[in-house]
This record gives sequence, structure tokens and C-alpha cells, in this order.
Amino acid sequence: GESVGLHLPTLSVQEGDNSIINCAYSNSASDYFIWYKQESGKGPQFIIDIRSNMDKRQGQRVTVLLNKTVKHLSLQIAATQPGDSAVYFCAENLGDYKLSFGAGTTVTVRA
Amino acid sequence: ETGVTQTPRHLVMGMTNKKSLKCEQHLGHNAMYWYKQSAKKPLELMFVYSLEERVENNSVPSRFSPECPNSSHLFLHLHTLQPEDSALYLCASSQTPGRSLFFGSGTQLSVL
Repeated sequence: GESVGLHLPTLSVQEGDNSIINCAYSNSASDYFIWYKQESGKGPQFIIDIRSNMDKRQGQRVTVLLNKTVKHLSLQIAATQPGDSAVYFCAENLGDYKLSFGAGTTVTVRA
Repeated sequence: ETGVTQTPRHLVMGMTNKKSLKCEQHLGHNAMYWYKQSAKKPLELMFVYSLEERVENNSVPSRFSPECPNSSHLFLHLHTLQPEDSALYLCASSQTPGRSLFFGSGTQLSVL
């Protein structure tokens, strides 16, 4: 079965607010995690990644948090903009060549 | 542009046709992948090539046949497909297998 999942399939956010997208994973041996953004008609776009020896990593307007105790991953987007509307996927590396994806959360930004 | 180019962007084929999907990466990566994306389902890994050698064949039906002639090019040959094979087929590449994959825009395939 699927080893990576997202808590909510959809998220509606007011423009300017912060967004938090959650993901739960089941494989405690996973040592690498990635967040992707997919806009309509495009392939998944790399946002940010994190290794299991870290619990937080920051990028431009995005922060990824990793809680290995409860096997939880989250993506925080600061000051959400209309261009942030997309489907967001988390993925985990199960070892070697395999990257396993969750089903995705659709984020809609309200003006 | 992600540096990974897929052609064609759209493809409609009958169940008796033979077609090929093409992927080219301009990133100097060593690993290339085929993923299938169906509506309401997570991305499914199909094939992985590392340094032009197939290292993963994720129980994919034989009607899908990959080819990796060099580290920059990847093909997916299709024959006698079924309607349930209709999906978005995504190519990706990475420097390190299983890490930081960069995806193309995909080929939207419809099998009639």
C-alpha cells in the first residue's frame, strides 16, 4: 500500500495568510523527503527537501518541518500568493532509487 | 523550464497502435525515470535507469517498453495499450538516484 499520505485533500487559504500542508509517512527507515508543487498542465516542480538528520529547513517563503517521532512532515508557505494555488505532494525516499509519493493536497488561494 | 523535455505533450492512440514517448534531459544527470500519474492517484514509479542501466522495473506490463540509449535520453515504447493506460506519463531525472528529481511536463496519453 501507499506509505506516504496527506492529511487533507484540499486546503483553502486567504491571500496573505500562511499555509500549512501536512503529510504522514509510515516508513521509519526513510531518510529523505521532498515537497513538490504541481500546477495545471505542468509536471511536479521541486520545492524543498530535507534529510532525516534535520528537523527543519527553510527556503524562500517555505519551511519544511520533520517530526520523526510521529512520522510527520509539513510544508509551511508564508504570505500565500495566488501563484501558490496548485497541488502539493510530499514524497519519501524508501532507499536506493525509489521515491514514493502521496496523493496530494490541492491548495486554493482566495483573493 | 526544468531542463527535462518531453514529447509529445499530448497523444491519442488506438489499442492496436505502436507509439513512443521521448524524454531528454539537459542537466547532466545520471538517473532517469518514468512515472505514471492517473487522476486521484499518487504518482506510480514505472522504470528507473541509472547510468543507462535499468535498475528498477516496478511490475509494469510488457506493453510498456523503456529504452535508455544514453544518459540524456529516455524513451517509452507503447504497444497494444488498454484504455486504463490513459494517464499523464512523466519523465524525471536526478543526479543521485532517488533524490531531487526534476520532472518534465509530461505526455497526456489517451487510449481509445
